[in-house]
Amino acid sequence: QVQLQESGPGLVKSSETLSLTCTVSGGSISNYYWSWIRQPPGKGLEWIGYIYYSGTTIYNPSLKSRVTISVDTSRNQFSLNLNSVTAADTAVYYCARKDVSGSFFDYWGQGTLVTVSS
Amino acid sequence: DIVMTQSPDSLAVSLGERATINCKSSQSVLYSSNNKNCLAWYQHKPGQPPKLLIYWASTRESGVPDRFSGSGSGTEFTLTISSLQAEDVAVYYCQQYYGSPFSFGQGTKLEIK
Repeated sequence: QVQLQESGPGLVKSSETLSLTCTVSGGSISNYYWSWIRQPPGKGLEWIGYIYYSGTTIYNPSLKSRVTISVDTSRNQFSLNLNSVTAADTAVYYCARKDVSGSFFDYWGQGTLVTVSS
Repeated sequence: DIVMTQSPDSLAVSLGERATINCKSSQSVLYSSNNKNCLAWYQHKPGQPPKLLIYWASTRESGVPDRFSGSGSGTEFTLTISSLQAEDVAVYYCQQYYGSPFSFGQGTKLEIK
């Protein structure tokens, strides 16, 4: 059974960079796309972007100028960097696996709350 | 960008009764290459990650009870729970994956009446 687990600071200062890592266990990171999705408090889900194990990335245009997603196949991990954060970036951040047949998400991490403080 | 709009925003249904949630996309999500609709449904309970229920608009994910069903095509879709159970209380989201950026509906909160 594939499992995903997010890790990283729960508190980030405004204007700094949010960095999270997702560790994949129970399966290989190879041959799949891996995604970041977030949910601000009281709001809906927002797709941030995803990365193929080979390094190809697709980002949400609304965040593209501030987002970098990277992958480390040797550690079965992928990471999110979001720079110049503001209070609007406060959210629960989920990592997820994109299904092979379509861009829906079949495995999710538990999510981690990141709060941006001033 | 494709905008997904769900209705209603919240819904209260008696145990054992049918629950119906609607989702409308701002443009068709029917993928001509395979004649399938790029529409998924998720169940989201507090403190848990979203759980995939339905994909390709009507294909149930493995392990999902058969009381959950999806229907619709083009721009209008429905998630139906045929006989509501207490464990079905959650927020339900639709998601289009026809085109990037992939987008979700605002969510429908389902409660017990």
